[in-house]
Amino acid sequence: AQKITQTQPGMFVQEKEAVTLDCTYDTSDPSYGLFWYKQPSSGEMIFLIYQGSYDQQNATEGRYSLNFQKARKSANLVISASQLGDSAMYFCAMREEGKSTFGDGTTLTVKP
Amino acid sequence: EAGVAQSPRYKIIEKRQSVAFWCNPISGHATLYWYQQILGQGPKLLIQFQNNGVVDDSQLPKDRFSAERLKGVDSTLKIQPAKLEDSAVYLCASSLQAGPRGELFFGEGSRLTVL
Repeated sequence: AQKITQTQPGMFVQEKEAVTLDCTYDTSDPSYGLFWYKQPSSGEMIFLIYQGSYDQQNATEGRYSLNFQKARKSANLVISASQLGDSAMYFCAMREEGKSTFGDGTTLTVKP
Repeated sequence: EAGVAQSPRYKIIEKRQSVAFWCNPISGHATLYWYQQILGQGPKLLIQFQNNGVVDDSQLPKDRFSAERLKGVDSTLKIQPAKLEDSAVYLCASSLQAGPRGELFFGEGSRLTVL
């Protein structure tokens, strides 16, 4: 079974608008971490935001926030006020027992 | 602070040839990972080291892939002989923490094309 599922292969958003990228995960481990990474066309993966399984509040980092719904096993990334530089691939990842598993990513295109 | 260094950035080889990729993690990061990323897919873990010991190599095709991390610092990933389906980007990453909070720091990747 897929541990990380990203159902949106591609998304478009107008500049300055908000966008939500979906991620669902599967684990029976009570202790895990959820991450989002950005991969621009240059290829380097960049860490964006982290949510721990025991965290009570949703994580936020600048324009990025993580909508964590533990019972639904979802960890959606919300990008507010999109910028042209946000165009990239976005990967959701889960870390359990020291091992990280990635989804297949969502390509985000920001339109001017 | 220097990031994760990888070389070469690009490599083109014929099938059945061999290739090696090198990675130097961020100083002090005990955990080092090699991922394979095929075009249009997410990274897939090949091997994970903790210091100079292997933690997980369950998805490493051991008949053709090998990796080592002598002295617990830099690492080399080798493919011999290469197949067409090995065309991918090979990403090296390191992390400071072993637990759930350990975000990964990636290098720029080594893009392999097998003809």
